Amino acid sequence: AQSVTQLGSHVSVSEGALVLLRCNYSSSVPPYLFWYVQYPNQGLQLLLKYTSAATLVKGINGFEAEFKKSETSFHLTKPSAHMSDAAEYFCAVSGVDSNYQLIWGAGTKLIIKP
Amino acid sequence: DTGVSQNPRHKITKRGQNVTFRCDPISEHNRLYWYRQTLGQGPEFLTYFQNEAQLEKSRLLSDRFSAERPKGSFSTLEIQRTEQGDSAMYLCASVSGAHPEETQYFGPGTRLLVL
Repeated sequence: AQSVTQLGSHVSVSEGALVLLRCNYSSSVPPYLFWYVQYPNQGLQLLLKYTSAATLVKGINGFEAEFKKSETSFHLTKPSAHMSDAAEYFCAVSGVDSNYQLIWGAGTKLIIKP
Repeated sequence: DTGVSQNPRHKITKRGQNVTFRCDPISEHNRLYWYRQTLGQGPEFLTYFQNEAQLEKSRLLSDRFSAERPKGSFSTLEIQRTEQGDSAMYLCASVSGAHPEETQYFGPGTRLLVL
């Protein structure tokens, strides 16, 4: 069965520092991978997705993620954190194992220190 | 494009009462999902519609839960005989793009508290 693990329920970085949010998945076949962001009192919004094209995927707001099959990872990064990046970030996987339904991680709350 | 809307945004009810939530998807989207999200967790799949057809329901979904999408536009989720364990955020998403590479557009959710 497919599953997603997000390491760290909370990540705190200083404004201007590198953001790294970790996501590891399990899947018997190459999956589709997604990162969504949830701002307070708003719906989830797609940041980026991997669909078997380029392994380095660029998303909105300066975020990017790299699919590493050997490490079963899809970590999310941004070179320089901004106060407006404070939100909760969810990694999700879909594939044949889940009948192509999204399987979600538990989320990581990103805290930006001034 | 006004996005996905959900009503009400908040609902407080007593155990044993029935509640109904509504989701209005983006007008041109023919697929719609319902999820439940509890604190500290990601969304949990409940059910999925293509147009008016309910194509899949989670095996974890109690018989007290029912969803409809009568004309392939808005959808309703009803919970009968609510229990305290039903307290959660209920999310609706409408879908653009080809399955399974689709993008899901989420509404703001309905937060349910069962007393």
